[in-house]
Amino acid sequence: AQSVTQPDIHITVSEGASLELRCNYSYGATPYLFWYVQSPGQGLQLLLKYFSGDTLVQGIKGFEAEFKRSQSSFNLRKPSVHWSDAAEYFCAVRSNFGNEKLTFGTGTRLTIIP
Amino acid sequence: EPEVTQTPSHQVTQMGQEVILRCVPISNHLYFYWYRQILGQKVEFLVSFYNNEISEKSEIFDDQFSVERPDGSNFTLKIRSTKLEDSAMYFCASSEGTEETQYFGPGTRLLVL
Repeated sequence: AQSVTQPDIHITVSEGASLELRCNYSYGATPYLFWYVQSPGQGLQLLLKYFSGDTLVQGIKGFEAEFKRSQSSFNLRKPSVHWSDAAEYFCAVRSNFGNEKLTFGTGTRLTIIP
Repeated sequence: EPEVTQTPSHQVTQMGQEVILRCVPISNHLYFYWYRQILGQKVEFLVSFYNNEISEKSEIFDDQFSVERPDGSNFTLKIRSTKLEDSAMYFCASSEGTEETQYFGPGTRLLVL
């Protein structure tokens, strides 16, 4: 069964600092990988996704993520965070065999300090 | 930009009552989903729906749950007899195809008393 681990429950960074949120997945083949963001009181917004091809994917709001097969990881990065990036970030995995469900990690809450 | 909408945004109900959560998926999407997120826990898949049939469901989606597409635009989740543990945020999502991105609505926060 597929699973996702986000080892960091809560991360605090200073505005303008760089950010890396960790995500590790467990799946027998190359999965489809996603990062979603949830702002307080809001739904889940897709930041970026990886299906195949270039292992470095660019998303919205200046985020990027790198798929590393050898490490079963799909870490999310941003070179310089803004106060508006404070939110909950979820990594998700989906099978590439027609199984439709997304399996989410437990999320990482990001706090930005001035 | 088209988006998934959900109503109501909040619902409070008594244990044992029936609730219906409503969703309007993106208009050209064919695949519909319900997920839930119990407070402080991860988002969990409940069910997927295509061509007026359930295509996949989780073990959470037992006989007290049902889904329906009553017309060309709405997609509903019914909980027949709510339990305290059904209290959660329920998210609807839709996609153009199984290979496509799932777009989520803002959620309905359900509180069962």
